[in-house]
Amino acid sequence: DGGITQSPKYLFRKEGQNVTLSCEQNLNHDAMYWYRQDPGQGLRLIYYSQIVNDFQKGDIAEGYSVSREKKESFPLTVTSAQKNPTAFYLCASSAQTGGAYEQYFGPGTRLTVT
Amino acid sequence: RKEVEQDPGPFNVPEGATVAFNCTYSNSASQSFFWYRQDCRKEPKLLMSVYSSGNEDGRFTAQLNRASQYISLLIRDSKLSDSATYLCAVTVTGGGNKLTFGTGTQLKVEL
Repeated sequence: DGGITQSPKYLFRKEGQNVTLSCEQNLNHDAMYWYRQDPGQGLRLIYYSQIVNDFQKGDIAEGYSVSREKKESFPLTVTSAQKNPTAFYLCASSAQTGGAYEQYFGPGTRLTVT
Repeated sequence: RKEVEQDPGPFNVPEGATVAFNCTYSNSASQSFFWYRQDCRKEPKLLMSVYSSGNEDGRFTAQLNRASQYISLLIRDSKLSDSATYLCAVTVTGGGNKLTFGTGTQLKVEL
């Protein structure tokens, strides 16, 4: 089945630890994105990548890092420098469709840091 | 002013009702527009793209008003299963296809 997978679904970490969230897609999409969602807020863009080996900061990149070594994979590392890491993290990918770049989301990872 | 604004609701409507949501955007260079549906604790799912001429998919109709800078979503004959949060999202010309989301409008369809 084609789609976007994120693992794990739930993740618990102690404060001060770095953690890496996985995102894989087999849709052959060029672009991939990471968002976080907090209660009562919309999705906010952390990082995005339009092509392998290239990525750009989104609106809230501080305390996060990414890599894009393969087209299918776009892992996100939440570092200890991120002040409020507890959130719902969503990965998305897109390909041009009729002039509009529709983005499709993975199931998300809920990260809790205590 | 937020880039994309939505009335958070909740909108409580009876089954069979017609309900409409608006979403306003502040950047006149906004290029592409989308409606997503998000169920509780799930990922957003693309409901429909919004085209300049307006588009319809079954009970759902989306429209774009560039002059007043808003998009709308109309749901006819509401079903219980339509209960969800509806997010609008826009991209900006030259913005690398970054989506900016509204905070969502919650819809509750009741018996």
